Amino acid sequence: QKEVEQDPGPLSVPEGAIVSLNCTYSNSAFQYFMWYRQYSRKGPELLMYTYSSGNKEDGRFTAQVDKSSKYISLFIRDSQPSDSATYLCAMINAGNNRKLIWGLGTSLAVNP
Amino acid sequence: KAGVTQTPRYLIKTRGQQVTLSCSPISGHRSVSWYQQTPGQGLQFLFEYFSETQRNKGNFPGRFSGRQFSNSRSEMNVSTLELGDSALYLCASSLGSGLTDTQYFGPGTRLTVL
Repeated sequence: QKEVEQDPGPLSVPEGAIVSLNCTYSNSAFQYFMWYRQYSRKGPELLMYTYSSGNKEDGRFTAQVDKSSKYISLFIRDSQPSDSATYLCAMINAGNNRKLIWGLGTSLAVNP
Repeated sequence: KAGVTQTPRYLIKTRGQQVTLSCSPISGHRSVSWYQQTPGQGLQFLFEYFSETQRNKGNFPGRFSGRQFSNSRSEMNVSTLELGDSALYLCASSLGSGLTDTQYFGPGTRLTVL
């Protein structure tokens, strides 16, 4: 079993929909949680970075971390065609330097 | 400010050959990390260099090696290529190697091993 599980999708939604992307993990030592977006033929770019449990909002994006359930989510409000990309979650065990552990990514298509 | 650049962007090699990939970090960034990305395994950490020293290493065989130069540019080398080494190799740079230092990724080098 992988340390981080993420449904690869693909997920297809109409423009304006609320999108929910999720990851589960097994290692309770993970403390830092990130969401990256990767467009085709590009490298990942950091969207959100949260430490421990709680919510963090940035524009149309909200990241949630529930450490008790070992579950993290990324919500995208008013989704746009430009949000079409692969979304990857990543986590760090602070006791293991900065070795990021990644989910496989969820492919999202937002249809006009 | 220019982003992270990786050369070459595409590479085709045959089994048994060796390959060197290059990464130029964002100006001023001293940390460079390398990742392998495949559809089945996703992104897997290879190694991280900071000020020419390897700070961290992933679980890859010794055929995978890297180095960092005094100008922070980095290279990774894969010797005796295998079919399973076909992947997108991504380089990421950051100012430092702290937990909250954001990593900025390059576009990657797509390696195909025939």
